[in-house]
Amino acid sequence: EAGVTQSPTHLIKTRGQQATLRCSPISGHTSVYWYQQALGLGLQFLLWYDEGEERNRGNFPPRFSGRQFPNYSSELNVNALELEDSALYLCASSWGGSGNTIYFGEGSWLTVV
Amino acid sequence: AQSVAQPEDQVNVAEGNPLTVKCTYSVSGNPYLFWYVQYPNRGLQFLLKYITGDNLVKGSYGFEAEFNKSQTSFHLKKPSALVSDSALYFCAVRNTNAGKSTFGDGTTLTVKP
Repeated sequence: EAGVTQSPTHLIKTRGQQATLRCSPISGHTSVYWYQQALGLGLQFLLWYDEGEERNRGNFPPRFSGRQFPNYSSELNVNALELEDSALYLCASSWGGSGNTIYFGEGSWLTVV
Repeated sequence: AQSVAQPEDQVNVAEGNPLTVKCTYSVSGNPYLFWYVQYPNRGLQFLLKYITGDNLVKGSYGFEAEFNKSQTSFHLKKPSALVSDSALYFCAVRNTNAGKSTFGDGTTLTVKP
């Protein structure tokens, strides 16, 4: 069974541009989570989607946004890129329910120059 | 609000010795607790979780963790460390209202031959 898949693996953008990252959850999972892992800052929660709806949002500016599609895949959009947005963006998925394990993809490296 | 503390940035042990990676948490209600491992330039891999029941939880690769409600701790342990266990370890907590998991800052485990 395929795990969580993310694309692209690496992305280089210029400050001010927009970046779009994509995530396909494990088959049958309805929840998708996005985390940012910047160097030295640990994992910071970005967004949680479940059944196509945004359920929770971390402490990030509005230029971080996303959506979940009917097939439960998701994309994360980052507008007006800033240098400090350079990080590993991790997507995770789970079945609904708080006790269920979230499983991570390998991440997308975003570098803003 | 929920939080996780991993008081040690680094843990060094000799191969064959027991290892402990510490985690304490704060959450309202009953906690769901998780341990993940991250190898360089990779996503997070699930090791084990505590939902309810036996306070000693066994997981992948010979790891186990002990839930202590009175001390609000969930320390990760392994009886005999391997060099290949060297990695970054994250503890995470989620409350019963579902949604986001909050991660600790991570502990780098180095096992020396």
